[in-house]
Amino acid sequence: DAGVTQSPTHLIKTRGQQVTLRCSPKSGHDTVSWYQQALGQGPQFIFQYYEEEERQRGNFPDRFSGHQFPNYSSELNVNALLLGDSALYLCASSPLGGASTDTQYFGPGTRLTVL
Amino acid sequence: AQSVTQLGSHVSVSEGALVLLRCNYSSSVPPYLFWYVQYPNQGLQLLLKYTTGATLVKGINGFEAEFKKSETSFHLTKPSAHMSDAAEYFCAVSDTGRRALTFGSGTRLQVQP
Repeated sequence: DAGVTQSPTHLIKTRGQQVTLRCSPKSGHDTVSWYQQALGQGPQFIFQYYEEEERQRGNFPDRFSGHQFPNYSSELNVNALLLGDSALYLCASSPLGGASTDTQYFGPGTRLTVL
Repeated sequence: AQSVTQLGSHVSVSEGALVLLRCNYSSSVPPYLFWYVQYPNQGLQLLLKYTTGATLVKGINGFEAEFKKSETSFHLTKPSAHMSDAAEYFCAVSDTGRRALTFGSGTRLQVQP
C-alpha cells in the first residue's frame, strides 16, 4: 500500500516564476492538506481540500492556490514566487469518510528553492 | 486560536538515558494532540496521538506521552534512548484529527554514544 506521494522531489525556480507541486494521497484517503516548512521551523498549514473544494485555509496570501481532482490527488500552485517561498512543502492525507479522530499522514515533501 | 510551545530547540542525551521532550499547548476547545518525528530530508511520521479517553498514550518505537489538562502539557518520553532516535520531533494540536494542525517549532534530539 503506497503512502502519500509527492512530486517533484526538488525544484529550483527564480523570483517571479510560478510553480505547481503535486500530491497523491494514501489509498482510501479523500482529504488532502498542504503545509509549508521553512528551514528550522515547524510546518505551517496552507489549506485543505475535501470533495474538490477548499475547506479550510491558513494565513497565506492568494498567490497560494490549490486544486483537488476527482481521484483525490491535489496540486499546490504558487504564483509570483518570492525568495521567502523557499521551503519544504508537505502534503498530508486523511481517510475517506473518517471520524474526526483520524490522523493526517504526511508525504516526503517537495523542496522548493527560489533564487 | 491554538498554539504549541516546545521548550528546548535542542536536547542531547546519552544512549540508554531517559528522553523527555516538552510540549505545552493552548486551545479554546478540547484538543487533539500529536507527536510527529522527522528524519533528515524526510516527511513527518506519526509517533502517537491523544484524542479522548486514556491520558497516557503509547506510540511507536517505545515512545509515550501523557495529556495533562491542568498543566496544558503533552510531554513525550522514552525510557531508554537509542542512536536511531536522533531526529527532529514536532508536537501539534488540532480541534479534530482531520483539520488543520498547528505545530510547534520542533526539538532536535541528539543521542550521544
